[in-house]
Amino acid sequence: GAGVSQSPRYKVAKRGQDVALRCDPISGHVSLFWYQQALGQGPEFLTYFQNEAQLDKSGLPSDRFFAERPEGSVSTLKIQRTQQEDSAVYLCASSPGGRPSAKNIQYFGAGTRLSVL
Amino acid sequence: KQEVTQIPAALSVPEGENLVLNCSFTDSAIYNLQWFRQDPGKGLTSLLLIQSSQREQTSGRLNASLDKSSGRSTLYIAASQPGDSATYLCARSNDYKLSFGAGTTVTVRA
Repeated sequence: GAGVSQSPRYKVAKRGQDVALRCDPISGHVSLFWYQQALGQGPEFLTYFQNEAQLDKSGLPSDRFFAERPEGSVSTLKIQRTQQEDSAVYLCASSPGGRPSAKNIQYFGAGTRLSVL
Repeated sequence: KQEVTQIPAALSVPEGENLVLNCSFTDSAIYNLQWFRQDPGKGLTSLLLIQSSQREQTSGRLNASLDKSSGRSTLYIAASQPGDSATYLCARSNDYKLSFGAGTTVTVRA
């Protein structure tokens, strides 16, 4: 079956532009996560959805970052007025379980590489 | 801010040698510890997941151990192959989110 799909794979934006990054999770997965990975670093948690509810957005760097998952499947991460420090790979992951569990594996997409000039 | 530390940052070995990758974490109250592989330009692939109640997990040539009391996990890769060249990341979870180390980049020379 299909894995987690992210689009676009690459995005170049001029500073100040708004961008929208899309994530299609594995069908039926309840949980969805966004992570930000800077060059040479591990991914950093941004936000977490359980179905359509955004239960944790504590990792979003600023109020320019906004994420939604209106129907509990596809999610969009929007960055307004992009800055150079927003340049990173944005990874989406999904997990079948809706509750924290020691058995929950997160399945990752290939990511969107954002470059802000 | 990294709560998870991986040493070494990079490793180069000849084909056939065993690999030992280290991961340490500061909070022993974890649900699980996961090891991922990341190839350039690609996402993360889960290799092994060790639940907090377990001491180790094995899959083929891979074996991962977990010592919660010392806050350490080790990934062993036996008889390395050039195809094992990648970045290996460990991540701990104490609820739903993962906290990652910066990774160890492995090069296996043919």
